Amino acid sequence: GESVGLHLPTLSVQEGDNSIINCAYSNSASDYFIWYKQESGKGPQFIIDIRSNMDKRQGQRVTVLLNKTVKHLSLQIAATQPGDSAVYFCAENWNAGGTSYGKLTFGQGTILTVHP
Amino acid sequence: DSGVTQTPKHLITATGQRVTLRCSPRSGDLSVYWYQQSLDQGLQFLIQYYNGEERAKGNILERFSAQQFPDLHSELNLSSLELGDSALYFCASSSKRGTFSNEQFFGPGTRLTVL
Repeated sequence: GESVGLHLPTLSVQEGDNSIINCAYSNSASDYFIWYKQESGKGPQFIIDIRSNMDKRQGQRVTVLLNKTVKHLSLQIAATQPGDSAVYFCAENWNAGGTSYGKLTFGQGTILTVHP
Repeated sequence: DSGVTQTPKHLITATGQRVTLRCSPRSGDLSVYWYQQSLDQGLQFLIQYYNGEERAKGNILERFSAQQFPDLHSELNLSSLELGDSALYFCASSSKRGTFSNEQFFGPGTRLTVL
């Protein structure tokens, strides 16, 4: 079945470094992708999204890159801070005939640890 | 604070029992989604409602059911509970009237423990 998987389950960086979190997806029909951040004891928090007609989107300190050729998604965090420590999930959605709006498929997550 | 509220925060019950989890979406949001998060399965989509109607279904067991009420709050009913149902259950909401957005705002979750 469809799945979204992450290459690295954990990532440790030093404060101030740039972080890159990767995600592979298997459904070539997916047309919408989201990155979520989940801190301990909290629900996932939206970070940034990108549609399949784009290959790059920038937010505040974050950039998402989409490579549809190899079905790869990445999240880049600039100048990583201790407050960025969390689990990061990528998620995908495809609108199959208008019946699957909002049906997100999440990856397993990457634990990001930022050391001061 | 996402604006989505869930009650209760924690729930401890026994196998075979039935529980109801409640979710209030962000003000004005018409879509409500339910997710289950467990250590072995990760975050799994269960079901979505839009303005009172079921819109999409995921890996939801037949023992589970949900509904969205006219005031847009939603309830997830879990029955004949098994040990494996222990998990965090999240509700998310999106989409104000006249728009559709995939950006889902998650509540703080309900932690269900089945003993």
